[in-house]
Amino acid sequence: DVKVTQSSRYLVKRTGEKVFLECVQDMDHENMFWYRQDPGLGLRLIYFSYDVKMKEKGDIPEGYSVSREKKERFSLILESASTNQTSMYLCASSSGLEKLFFGSGTQLSVL
Amino acid sequence: GENVEQHPSTLSVQEGDSAVIKCTYSDSASNYFPWYKQELGKRPQLIIDIRSNVGEKKDQRIAVTLNKTAKHFSLHITETQPEDSAVYFCAASGPGGGNKLTFGTGTQLKVEL
Repeated sequence: DVKVTQSSRYLVKRTGEKVFLECVQDMDHENMFWYRQDPGLGLRLIYFSYDVKMKEKGDIPEGYSVSREKKERFSLILESASTNQTSMYLCASSSGLEKLFFGSGTQLSVL
Repeated sequence: GENVEQHPSTLSVQEGDSAVIKCTYSDSASNYFPWYKQELGKRPQLIIDIRSNVGEKKDQRIAVTLNKTAKHFSLHITETQPEDSAVYFCAASGPGGGNKLTFGTGTQLKVEL
């Protein structure tokens, strides 16, 4: 079965800190995605990538950047964390226009 | 870009009853419509999907219908059970959006005994 692993389940950071969220998948999927999940707002796409060193903005990219140096790893970066970035972050991977496999999520709190 | 609206936001049914969740989308070029189920504290998982060349798809107690003309699709769960209690998300994707999915805001389904 596909495994999508996110490095941290819970994370607490201070305003202004640089934050790295890591995601690794083990199924050689081309596509990787970062979503944030907030109550009443569903899953909103931050960034996605179709290939190594390739990235595209999703619907809410402001305040975030990403890195994909290797096919299996997709990192989400908060350059200067703010309190409105407190959220559940979900990484996902897929092969083509098919089923998304999600990681277990990282609950980030920015104080 | 694509915009997906989902209703209702909460739904409470008695065990054994049917549940229906409805979604509308804006991009007529969208051609793939999956439904994800997220149980409390767990990751979303695909439960059923439908492509634009099909009007209906069924898998045991769940079914999805698609009306391309009206740009809406629905999830139907029959003979609901307590383990169906979860948040359900619809999504849409297609040529306009490539491989990325746009999700609805979710429906909290509660199946009461």
